[in-house]
Amino acid sequence: AQKVTQAQTEISVVEKEDVTLDCVYETRDTTYYLFWYKQPPSGELVFLIRRNSFDEQNEISGRYSWNFQKSTSSFNFTITASQVVDSAVYFCALSEAGGLSGTYKYIFGTGTRLKVLA
Amino acid sequence: EPEVTQTPSHQVTQMGQEVILRCVPISNHLYFYWYRQILGQKVEFLVSFYNNEISEKSEIFDDQFSVERPDGSNFTLKIRSTKLEDSAMYFCASNGKGLRDTQYFGPGTRLTVL
Repeated sequence: AQKVTQAQTEISVVEKEDVTLDCVYETRDTTYYLFWYKQPPSGELVFLIRRNSFDEQNEISGRYSWNFQKSTSSFNFTITASQVVDSAVYFCALSEAGGLSGTYKYIFGTGTRLKVLA
Repeated sequence: EPEVTQTPSHQVTQMGQEVILRCVPISNHLYFYWYRQILGQKVEFLVSFYNNEISEKSEIFDDQFSVERPDGSNFTLKIRSTKLEDSAMYFCASNGKGLRDTQYFGPGTRLTVL
């Protein structure tokens, strides 16, 4: 069975510090997709990034960057110069095929709560 | 930008009552999903739906749950007889062309069972 592990339950940092959120996954698929979502206190899921298993290039978007390493089955997320508005729960997810018609459900990790203190 | 919408945003019901949670997926999407998130826990897959039938369901999705696409725009989740443990945030999602297309999530419906 496929699995996503986010070992860090909660992280607290002071504003402007860099912080890395870890994500380790397990899958037997050779083709898969990984995602990061942000869940602010309001509760919605905000899509941050999607990465397919064939693209190991790191990605940077403003203060956000992602490090995908297939060799260690990890897809870590770094926030540079954190801000109070980054405070949220962050979920890593893996897409898994399984439906009769090829629907791809998401398997989520347990999330990491990030608190950025002013 | 098109988005998935869900109504109501918050539903309070008594144990044993039936509830229907409504979702309007993005209009050209073909694949629909429901997920559940019990407070403070991870988001869990409930069911996927394609071509007017269930494609896959999880162990959580027992006989008390059903899904329907009653018209061309709505996608509903019905819980026949709610239990206290059904209290959770329910997210609808949809994706369109390409089986690996990113799922777009709605804002969620918070269900509280008293």
